[in-house]
Amino acid sequence: DVKVTQSSRYLVKRTGEKVFLECVQDMDHENMFWYRQDPGLGLRLIYFSYDVKMKEKGDIPEGYSVSREKKERFSLILESASTNQTSMYLCAAERLGWGYTFGSGTRLTVV
Amino acid sequence: LAKTTQPISMDSYEGQEVNITCSHNNIATNDYITWYQQFPSQGPRFIIQGYKTKVTNEVASLFIPADRKSSTLSLPRVSLSDTAVYYCLVGDIVSYQKVTFGTGTKLQVIP
Repeated sequence: DVKVTQSSRYLVKRTGEKVFLECVQDMDHENMFWYRQDPGLGLRLIYFSYDVKMKEKGDIPEGYSVSREKKERFSLILESASTNQTSMYLCAAERLGWGYTFGSGTRLTVV
Repeated sequence: LAKTTQPISMDSYEGQEVNITCSHNNIATNDYITWYQQFPSQGPRFIIQGYKTKVTNEVASLFIPADRKSSTLSLPRVSLSDTAVYYCLVGDIVSYQKVTFGTGTKLQVIP
């Protein structure tokens, strides 16, 4: 069974900290995505990557950056965490034609 | 990118068939229609995908009229465990692109 694994289920960080959210897929899929989900706002795309070292901005990239040094790993970086970045973060991998496989999510609280 | 419109919420009794309709008036020739299901505190899960006419799997059916400007996800004989948010997505599956999930349809199944 295919898997997307997010390193942390729950995370609490302080304002101003640099935060790394890790995502690993075992499916050799080219495309990977980071979304955040907030009540009433659905899933909003932060960044996506269609190949190693390639990245493109999604709808809400401000305050975030990403890294994809290996095909299986896609990291989301909060350069200086703020309270408005408290959210559920979801990573996904896509095999074209077969849809997205999501991780279980990381619930990040910034205090 | 094609924009989708779905009802915000729906209620249904257990054992009934549920139909959730999604409008996508500006769907492009290469776009496919994909539906996802999301339970609380989990990432969305792929349910079904189609291009035209009807697609059926063990979970649901997807009906797409000839003009493809809308689609209907049909869940036969729902149970309480089908209570979830359902997202309709439209996008090209043969080339990468960012996809917007929207806010989905919250289905509440009532005993």
